[in-house]
Amino acid sequence: DAKTTQPPSMDCAEGRAANLPCNHSTISGNEYVYWYRQIHSQGPQYIIHGLKNNETNEMASLIITEDRKSSTLILPHATLRDTAVYYCIVRVGSNYQLIWGAGTKLIIKP
Amino acid sequence: DGGITQSPKYLFRKEGQNVTLSCEQNLNHDAMYWYRQDPGQGLRLIYYSQIVNDFQKGDIAEGYSVSREKKESFPLTVTSAQKNPTAFYLCASSITRTALGGYTFGSGTRLTVV
Repeated sequence: DAKTTQPPSMDCAEGRAANLPCNHSTISGNEYVYWYRQIHSQGPQYIIHGLKNNETNEMASLIITEDRKSSTLILPHATLRDTAVYYCIVRVGSNYQLIWGAGTKLIIKP
Repeated sequence: DGGITQSPKYLFRKEGQNVTLSCEQNLNHDAMYWYRQDPGQGLRLIYYSQIVNDFQKGDIAEGYSVSREKKESFPLTVTSAQKNPTAFYLCASSITRTALGGYTFGSGTRLTVV
């Protein structure tokens, strides 16, 4: 079973920041949080990952709460091309495997 | 450009037939993975390989087989024992099993049983 909980869908206006929440209340101390996205019928694309500090790259920012039980992916200026399913994934420590849930379908509206 | 190539993009199979999906990478990654995706669902791990000539079963390995004779190649065979093979199949790789830099995915093969 997936170790994360995400809303099934979200809308965001083009040009605005898209904030995608994720709950991972059972995460253990050595498990990373990964974010990927999947545009329809393509392979997933890596976005960002983190352990306990906030992270930022050219695509997005990842904010992890101090207790590590939840996180938020922020797309600062969403475009129509950001419409995709976004997966928040916890990496299982002992086997180093990713456990995928159903993700959040993000729709960017003009 | 480096990446993962999956072929074919679309594949049709008759019931009772085995079929092999190709996955080739030129990223010099040690670890490779096969996932299955059903409509509206996340990815489920079929098999993974951390090194040449070694592979382990994932969560849904029944009815599937793999080989890893070369670092670059990790083909998946869907056998007649797989009761519901129609799905989207994704191959991925990572630098090592414990890679922190994320996984690279291929563009997928959509298998349909007719």
